[in-house]
Amino acid sequence: QKEVEQNSGPLSVPEGAIASLNCTYSDRGSQSFFWYRQYSGKSPELIMSIYSNGDKEDGRFTAQLNKASQYVSLLIRDSQPSDSATYLCAVNRIDSWGKLQFGAGTQVVVTP
Amino acid sequence: GAVVSQHPSRVICKSGTSVKIECRSLDFQATTMFWYRQFPKQSLMLMATSNEGSKATYEQGVEKDKFLINHASLTLSTLTVTSAHPEDSSFYICSARDQGGGSSPLHFGNGTRLTVT
Repeated sequence: QKEVEQNSGPLSVPEGAIASLNCTYSDRGSQSFFWYRQYSGKSPELIMSIYSNGDKEDGRFTAQLNKASQYVSLLIRDSQPSDSATYLCAVNRIDSWGKLQFGAGTQVVVTP
Repeated sequence: GAVVSQHPSRVICKSGTSVKIECRSLDFQATTMFWYRQFPKQSLMLMATSNEGSKATYEQGVEKDKFLINHASLTLSTLTVTSAHPEDSSFYICSARDQGGGSSPLHFGNGTRLTVT
């Protein structure tokens, strides 16, 4: 079992619709969770971080965390063509150096 | 926000040569930096953790003698790919935190695309 799992996609979303991305993790002791966006050929950029159960909203993005289910999700409202990218879920492994474990990423394609 | 600068952004080298990649934290001090590698259509794989003033810690399966890491100051870590071969062609990305806490997010450099011919 992979430590961080995501559907690879591609997830096709009409412009203006909501994109819903899911991520599960295996380490029950994980404490910090992040969503990164990566455009093709570029390095990842941080979108959201979430540390406690519940929802966290930032603009058009909402992260949801459920530690009991070991599940974290990202919603993108009013999707735009510029949101087309690969979204990486990352989890903080419990060790003194705080290394991040990444999922394989979900490719999102927003169609005009 | 925290800025991590990586250089060069792209390098092409011949098989058997060595390539050095630099990673700098521009507006903060980073006692720890992380080096990742990404092959096409795959996720980021952690290669090693670079610690200022001490030896790097390598992930399982990563050859420490091939991928030399030096973290000589609080703002600079270097990765040297020695005796590069075509299978080392990949996208190498460094990252660091701008806070001491392990729970804060990582900030990434722009990456270095290495092509070994």
